[in-house]
Amino acid sequence: GQNIDQPTEMTATEGAIVQINCTYQTSGFNGLFWYQQHAGEAPTFLSYNVLDGLEEKGRFSSFLSRSKGYSYLLLKELQMKDSASYLCAVRDEDSGNTPLVFGKGTRLSVIA
Amino acid sequence: GAVVSQHPSRVICKSGTSVKIECRSLDFQATTMFWYRQFPKQSLMLMATSNEGSKATYEQGVEKDKFLINHASLTLSTLTVTSAHPEDSSFYICSASGRHSYEQYFGPGTRLTVT
Repeated sequence: GQNIDQPTEMTATEGAIVQINCTYQTSGFNGLFWYQQHAGEAPTFLSYNVLDGLEEKGRFSSFLSRSKGYSYLLLKELQMKDSASYLCAVRDEDSGNTPLVFGKGTRLSVIA
Repeated sequence: GAVVSQHPSRVICKSGTSVKIECRSLDFQATTMFWYRQFPKQSLMLMATSNEGSKATYEQGVEKDKFLINHASLTLSTLTVTSAHPEDSSFYICSASGRHSYEQYFGPGTRLTVT
């Protein structure tokens, strides 16, 4: 079966750094995605990892270890607008018509 | 990135009626579209996968006669909730994928409220 785990909630201070972890167990693997979702809105794409290592994109970075079935999303210089849910998703087949399997999401609250 | 639209953004309907939600890819050909449902404070749950010109593949527990999906063209898929009930009230989100793309592009979602 497919299983994706991430913490339910996290709180961090404005200006700080926060790391959101995701572990996955899937029958196959062809990429891990991170999405940001504000309440009542659709998810927006943040990052994609298919090879081991760190992908950096501005304030956001994402790391993948395929052997450990592990990823994290790192948010630097936190801003109040970063308060949102962060969804980890995995594609288990090499095809554009394979749906993503989503974790339950991590609700991040950024406080002053 | 690519743009996917959904219409309507919000809809309120009476119990027993049917509601149609449209999902359009505006600037690319979507060979595959996905329909998700999201209840408050929960993650996205895949309902069905729809390939252009063929029947949708429904996830376990999703009634295909209740949630009718049509993907007649490379830019449009529709989800019709038939005989809606209050428990169908949810946030419905579509996403689309092109033939050579690894990414899924999400629409803005449709908030359905059944009274």
